[in-house]
Amino acid sequence: GQQLNQSPQSMFIQEGEDVSMNCTSSSIFNTWLWYKQDPGEGPVLLIALYKAGELTSNGRLTAQFGITRKDSFLNISASIPSDVGIYFCAGQRTTDSWGKFQFGAGTQVVVTP
Amino acid sequence: GAGVSQSPSNKVTEKGKDVELRCDPISGHTALYWYRQRLGQGLEFLIYFQGNSAPDKSGLPSDRFSAERTGESVSTLTIQRTQQEDSAVYLCASSRTLNEQFFGPGTRLTVL
Repeated sequence: GQQLNQSPQSMFIQEGEDVSMNCTSSSIFNTWLWYKQDPGEGPVLLIALYKAGELTSNGRLTAQFGITRKDSFLNISASIPSDVGIYFCAGQRTTDSWGKFQFGAGTQVVVTP
Repeated sequence: GAGVSQSPSNKVTEKGKDVELRCDPISGHTALYWYRQRLGQGLEFLIYFQGNSAPDKSGLPSDRFSAERTGESVSTLTIQRTQQEDSAVYLCASSRTLNEQFFGPGTRLTVL
């Protein structure tokens, strides 16, 4: 079953608006990854986070590794139509073998002009 | 190529038949992962290979599922006696650092 709680499940926004989504868990993580998946393709890595409190940006995307090490969020600023897709969080728990990741269920983002 | 490749891109099979899905990881990546993604859902971990270590098979849903990897190269995921519930996209990913994964485009399996 899902180890990570990702929310919201979906969001419909207007072009230019900001988007925020997050992942939470009862477990402690040492790595957080954020991916975007377009229809018919595999997920593409957007941002990787390795330290509690770390705040990292990639263009209009910003992600943070929560201080408690149990959560992470992703923000997209000034959304554009090509931001449409499914965004997944993935985390590596401290109790898992190195390299094994848990995935959230995804956030479907729809951007209307 | 520069990325992870998977074949076939689409596979339609009849219930009860066996299927083999192939993954070519990025050259030099020691870790290789297989995931299953059902329609509208997240990624379900199946199996993980890391170098010469014994694979982590903890995610395989039944003994109908198996996977092999040749050294640090190609991997095949085999599903025997396919069932309709096996219909999904099967994604392969590879990694060099174990801190991040790079995904292939997936194989869409449809079991009739």
